[in-house]
Amino acid sequence: GAVVSQHPSRVICKSGTSVKIECRSLDFQATTMFWYRQFPKKSLMLMATSNEGSKATYEQGVEKDKFLINHASLTLSTLTVTSAHPEDSSFYICSASPTSGSSGELFFGEGSRLTVL
Amino acid sequence: GEDVEQSLFLSVREGDSSVINCTYTDSSSTYLYWYKQEPGAGLQLLTYIFSNMDMKQDQRLTVLLNKKDKHLSLRIADTQTGDSAIYFCAVLSGGYNKLIFGAGTRLAVHP
Repeated sequence: GAVVSQHPSRVICKSGTSVKIECRSLDFQATTMFWYRQFPKKSLMLMATSNEGSKATYEQGVEKDKFLINHASLTLSTLTVTSAHPEDSSFYICSASPTSGSSGELFFGEGSRLTVL
Repeated sequence: GEDVEQSLFLSVREGDSSVINCTYTDSSSTYLYWYKQEPGAGLQLLTYIFSNMDMKQDQRLTVLLNKKDKHLSLRIADTQTGDSAIYFCAVLSGGYNKLIFGAGTRLAVHP
């Protein structure tokens, strides 16, 4: 199946710093990518929909100035957590759907675990 | 808004069948998915079904969809210890093209 790669898989940072997480579709193009956040022992919450070449669409309650999303190309979307705080510590997962075809398949990255000290 | 619900826990004996159930509210859902998540790992797509189908079988996995009742189930035949994980039901919301997840069902397989 199609591969979505996230980097880094784990990151530890100090409070107040910014962290960038990359999501790449390795063998397909994705006009749209999605960013999710998973809290411990809970489901995934959609944070935003990332659209190539345009602004991301954020879900209600998600601060767009804190979670910056850039979808610069058809294979790369980035999530930057700005001025990170310990409560931002979480597991962030991206997903992407191939632009071509209509299978409806959504592929997920392996996730990035962020720990803010 | 859209909602997806699952039971939180299921325990089965090795070799038995497991059935994980899911209900959803969005009647315009197009695709419905089952994902598996092992501890500390990302999501693995197990299978999915299009809304105009009522059953899909893939080796040990059988997905049943009752669109009238908005009920989706995943049956795992001959459950093995390696099947122990959290299983997420997810529904592609037809109106907004976004994936809505259930809370996940933790499957525990015991000897």
